[in-house]
Amino acid sequence: AQKVTQAQTEISVVEKEDVTLDCVYETRDTTYYLFWYKQPPSGELVFLIRRNSFDEQNEISGRYSWNFQKSTSSFNFTITASQVVDSAVYFCALRGDTGGFKTIFGAGTRLFVKA
Amino acid sequence: DGGITQSPKYLFRKEGQNVTLSCEQNLNHDAMYWYRQDPGQGLRLIYYSQIVNDFQKGDIAEGYSVSREKKESFPLTVTSAQKNPTAFYLCASSYREMNTEAFFGQGTRLTVV
Repeated sequence: AQKVTQAQTEISVVEKEDVTLDCVYETRDTTYYLFWYKQPPSGELVFLIRRNSFDEQNEISGRYSWNFQKSTSSFNFTITASQVVDSAVYFCALRGDTGGFKTIFGAGTRLFVKA
Repeated sequence: DGGITQSPKYLFRKEGQNVTLSCEQNLNHDAMYWYRQDPGQGLRLIYYSQIVNDFQKGDIAEGYSVSREKKESFPLTVTSAQKNPTAFYLCASSYREMNTEAFFGQGTRLTVV
């Protein structure tokens, strides 16, 4: 079975603080992809990043960075110097090569960034 | 502009009535999905379709039905058999390849009154 766990339900930080959103996944697939999506108040999920199961390189994109560790089945997301516009719900997701390639989402972490 | 359009944005339904949520995409994606979002539960998959005239049940298909007669369209019907239909419904589409991300509509908020 596939499962994505985001243990942090809500996080509140003050602007300019760094914040890390945790994601732990379970899968028996050998080949799979992990994703992060952002859901602003408008409701539409926006894709942020994908990582495949064979690529454990960390990635940095501006203020965003992602740490994929296969040994701990984690794919954590860090926002550096957070801004009010980062306030949203963030979802981690998994898509594997079994089960019809369907995407499984975690419960999401709601991030509040206060000015 | 390419994208996914869901309509309506807000929908009110009386108990015992069926209601159909619309989802249209012009991204030329083969795969389409319906998710239900409830507070604290993330996105749960209702139905998905990898190709026209074919669809599969997701984790919470009971009380829902879909059709996929055209590549661009994947309507979801919430039937009276759905015990707790009040929720936020999101439609998504993607290419079938595993490494592709999903594109989402803006959602339909359904309230049963």
